[in-house]
Amino acid sequence: DTAVSQTPKYLVTQMGNDKSIKCEQNLGHDTMYWYKQDSKKFLKIMFSYNNKELIINETVPNRFSPKSPDKAHLNLHINSLELGDSAVYFCASSQKTYEQYFGPGTRLTVT
Amino acid sequence: GEDVEQSLFLSVREGDSSVINCTYTDSSSTYLYWYKQEPGAGLQLLTYIFSNMDMKQDQRLTVLLNKKDKHLSLRIADTQTGDSAIYFCAESHSGAGSYQLTFGKGTKLSVIP
Repeated sequence: DTAVSQTPKYLVTQMGNDKSIKCEQNLGHDTMYWYKQDSKKFLKIMFSYNNKELIINETVPNRFSPKSPDKAHLNLHINSLELGDSAVYFCASSQKTYEQYFGPGTRLTVT
Repeated sequence: GEDVEQSLFLSVREGDSSVINCTYTDSSSTYLYWYKQEPGAGLQLLTYIFSNMDMKQDQRLTVLLNKKDKHLSLRIADTQTGDSAIYFCAESHSGAGSYQLTFGKGTKLSVIP
């Protein structure tokens, strides 16, 4: 009965590869988000989708492309991975309210 | 732009009260939040306060908001070792159906037994 789930939990890959992180929420929320947490624990919004429509894109490189096939899913695809992409990526969702529910995070390590 | 600042570390003895402070710059903030992140885990919403409130209490947690000074604090009474975690202050304002959160850098709370 997990509210917001992400797969995989850990992802280790080499520079230049393309990878995807999946997120699903079973809360019936309209809005989903991706956040990046760097090695210093600093959290920053990357994208926000409302009803499958992109709302926020915070100066994220074009190599990052979110895809929302339906309201319950917001996947993050990353092309040509770089060392600086190593971080923990969190998915979150909300229902037009202030309460955002976060997934457990995906730790991406680029070698 | 929007900015949220908080001290990076706090150490308290078990049983004492912890007070974590935060300042923010966005005067249009609608909600202010405290999130808790335990090691290796995701973020857990602890509590939030609407910008027209001064105080909110929830069991051991007390949130104080000074809107004039743009200062938010979280007090944890009777701090326990299980409270050891990173606490993030965050603010949001609504727009286009989305509540974008701006986070502080987190305060690492260490509880000494």
